[in-house]
Amino acid sequence: EVQLVQSGAEVKKPGESLKLSCKGSGYSFISYWIGWVRQMPGKGLEWMGIIYPADSDTRYSPSFQGQVTISADKSISTAYLQWSSLKASDTAMYYCVRRVTGYYYFDYWGQGTLVTVSS
Amino acid sequence: EIVLTQSPGTLSLSPGERATLSCRASQSVRGAFLAWYQQKPGQGPRLVIYGASSRASGIPDRFSGSGSGTDFTLAISRLEPEDFAVYYCQQYGSSPYTFGQGTKLEIK
Repeated sequence: EVQLVQSGAEVKKPGESLKLSCKGSGYSFISYWIGWVRQMPGKGLEWMGIIYPADSDTRYSPSFQGQVTISADKSISTAYLQWSSLKASDTAMYYCVRRVTGYYYFDYWGQGTLVTVSS
Repeated sequence: EIVLTQSPGTLSLSPGERATLSCRASQSVRGAFLAWYQQKPGQGPRLVIYGASSRASGIPDRFSGSGSGTDFTLAISRLEPEDFAVYYCQQYGSSPYTFGQGTKLEIK
């Protein structure tokens, strides 16, 4: 069974750093792109970026380029989303997603990680 | 960037009725590369339809998708209690790969 299991909820202060994780299982982790999707409170979904764990090739949505860093450790089948300096506007639910080979839609989603940034 | 506009914002129907959800794109979606997702409270979204009309694995045949160009539709022929959720469309023909704002399908 394909699973994407994300790390737990976080409460942070503005200016702090943060790294979320997403562990894939039940499939060949290095063979599929893994992405991240943001859902701000009461809002819709936004595609942030994506990484190919086999070689760490990474693509970002223009809206998120330079704002976050996506990485992966193929030895432990885990992808990451990180911030160096959080803002209150980063408060959101974050989902990791598995991209279908050859297309940019997503067949498996993690359970989501809620990030709250507040002073 | 392609903007997707979903309508209605909220759809109130009873179990057994037919639901029709709309997704309109600000420009033509290349290759009819459009997907629909279902999201229930407290859960991550679930893929329902891809390629505008292909059902994802495990999705009942009461779900159907149609459309091309700028106008797409998700239909649910006979609503079951478990179908009440928020539905999002997503275009994946052009980067950035954008989502609609969602249609909430609620029990009347």
